[in-house]
Amino acid sequence: EVQLVQSGAEVKKPGESLKISCEGSGYSFTSHWIGWVRQMPGKGPEWMGIIYPGDSDARYSPSFQGQVTFSADKSTSTVYLQWNSLKASDTAMYYCARHGNSDSSDGSWFDPWGQGTLVTVSS
Amino acid sequence: DIVMTQSPDSLTVSLGERATINCKSSQSVLYSSNNKNYLAWYQQKPGQPPKLLIYWASSRASGVPDRFSGSGSGTDFTLTINSLQAEDVAVYYCQQFYHTPFTFGQGTKLEIK
Repeated sequence: EVQLVQSGAEVKKPGESLKISCEGSGYSFTSHWIGWVRQMPGKGPEWMGIIYPGDSDARYSPSFQGQVTFSADKSTSTVYLQWNSLKASDTAMYYCARHGNSDSSDGSWFDPWGQGTLVTVSS
Repeated sequence: DIVMTQSPDSLTVSLGERATINCKSSQSVLYSSNNKNYLAWYQQKPGQPPKLLIYWASSRASGVPDRFSGSGSGTDFTLTINSLQAEDVAVYYCQQFYHTPFTFGQGTKLEIK
């Protein structure tokens, strides 16, 4: 079974750094893009970007470029989403999700999704 | 960015009836070289991540009941849910994966009458 398991909820203060994780299993981890999606309370999903674990090639949405960093560790089948200086406006649920299309050169839907990591930033 | 606009924002339908949700993209998501529409539909229930229903605009994902169907091409798409069941109460989103960023619609909340 293809599965993505995310790290647990985090409570941070503004200005702090954070790295959350997403571990894949049940498939060839290096052969599918994995994306990050933000969902703010009561809002729709926002595509943040994607990373290809095979070579750590990353594509960011202009809205998130420079605000977050994606990384991947092939040895542990884990991708990461990192902030260097959190803001209150980063408070949201963050999902990782795998590209369903195995063609790495093409766009794709997301399937499956991780369970989500709730990030709360408050002073 | 490609803007995805769904209508209506909310919808109330009786059990056993049909629900229709529309999604319009600000530019075509039909790729002429393979004649595929780069459009997906998701269902999200409270406290859960989105779940894939439809990809390539009309291909049903594994395990999705056949009462869910997708149609449309170019810029206009429809998700149809036939014989509405109580468990279909959710928010539904469309997403284009034609050009990054792969944007989502704002969502349509489906409730039972």
